[in-house]
Amino acid sequence: GAGVSQSPSNKVTEKGKDVELRCDPISGHTALYWYRQSLGQGLEFLIYFQGNSAPDKSGLPSDRFSAERTGGSVSTLTIQRTQQEDSAVYLCASSLRSTGGIDLGTDTQYFGPGTRLTVL
Amino acid sequence: ELKVEQNPLFLSMQEGKNYTIYCNYSTTSDRLYWYRQDPGKSLESLFVLLSNGAVKQEGRLMASLDTKARLSTLHITAAVHDLSATYFCADKGPSNAGGTSYGKLTFGQGTILTVHP
Repeated sequence: GAGVSQSPSNKVTEKGKDVELRCDPISGHTALYWYRQSLGQGLEFLIYFQGNSAPDKSGLPSDRFSAERTGGSVSTLTIQRTQQEDSAVYLCASSLRSTGGIDLGTDTQYFGPGTRLTVL
Repeated sequence: ELKVEQNPLFLSMQEGKNYTIYCNYSTTSDRLYWYRQDPGKSLESLFVLLSNGAVKQEGRLMASLDTKARLSTLHITAAVHDLSATYFCADKGPSNAGGTSYGKLTFGQGTILTVHP
């Protein structure tokens, strides 16, 4: 079946511009997560959605970063006034639920291919 | 704050040899995950381990969880070149309602494994 998809796969932008990154989770998955991966910082959590609400935004590095999720499906991560330190691979993941019980598979996070963002 | 530390960070192995990657985490964990990442690719889920000390095996890889020691291990048996990749462990942390770690994964630094002929 279809996995998590992200677009664009690559984005090059100039410092100060705004960018939007899109994530399409696996159909039926209620939980959606954004992470970013960079050489210096490793894999960092950004934000988590349960349905359309975001109970945990603790990883967003500044108020230039925002995200929304509509219809319990597609999510958009927006970075305003991009800076060079925003350059990274932005990964989206989804899971059937955010918590798991005796069924091990329900909260496993499945990752998309990522968007490589380069800020010049 | 959750901390997850892996060692070694770099591992160069010969085919046919055995080795273990270690993952220490700082708090009581609801679940512990292992992922694989090939160069330029995304993360592939390998194992999820419950806090009751489960052991999981898939092919030449076996993962275990010791909740008392707050340690997970990924053991590689008779390594082959196809296992070359970066391996991450990730801790979900306690999932009690109201905790900000609810849902979020905290990743280790990753272990870059290279298997030589």
